[in-house]
Amino acid sequence: GESVGLHLPTLSVQEGDNSIINCAYSNSASDYFIWYKQESGKGPQFIIDIRSNMDKRQGQRVTVLLNKTVKHLSLQIAATQPGDSAVYFCAERAGGFKTIFGAGTRLFVKA
Amino acid sequence: GAGVSQSPSNKVTEKGKDVELRCDPISGHTALYWYRQSLGQGLEFLIYFQGNSAPDKSGLPSDRFSAERTGGSVSTLTIQRTQQEDSAVYLCASSRAGAYGYTFGSGTRLTVV
Repeated sequence: GESVGLHLPTLSVQEGDNSIINCAYSNSASDYFIWYKQESGKGPQFIIDIRSNMDKRQGQRVTVLLNKTVKHLSLQIAATQPGDSAVYFCAERAGGFKTIFGAGTRLFVKA
Repeated sequence: GAGVSQSPSNKVTEKGKDVELRCDPISGHTALYWYRQSLGQGLEFLIYFQGNSAPDKSGLPSDRFSAERTGGSVSTLTIQRTQQEDSAVYLCASSRAGAYGYTFGSGTRLTVV
């Protein structure tokens, strides 16, 4: 069935370094992708999104890259800060409304 | 309101009891979603409401689960005869019609003992 998964369940980075969180998706019909950040005890928070007609989109300190050829999505965080420590979810949508979430990657930022 | 509000934030119930979880979406958001998140897991879709259309209930795991949305605003998720496997965080999200990004509430942590 459809699935969105992550290559690494946990990622530990030094404060100030760049972080890269990867995600694979299986539904080639997906046309919209989102990254969410979830801090402990809170609901997921929208970070950045990208449509399938793009391969890169930049936000504040974050960049999402989409490679449709290999069905791969990544989130890059520049100059990672302690406040970036959280679980990050990639999610996909193949038209309609239903968003499928991956299992999540936990990011640890070491001071 | 300023955000999606869920209540209660925590609920402990005995196995076999019924529970009701409430969600107040952002004012003006016509779409409302319920997801379930088990410990250390991703988000499992439960149900979706859009305006006055019939809800999509395809994610509800059993007939013990039901949800309603009154007046196109507040939603209640009801779990009857709760089981231990129902223990999870239940998340509600809302969005404007056509908008793809959701705004989530902080969730209700349900523990069935």
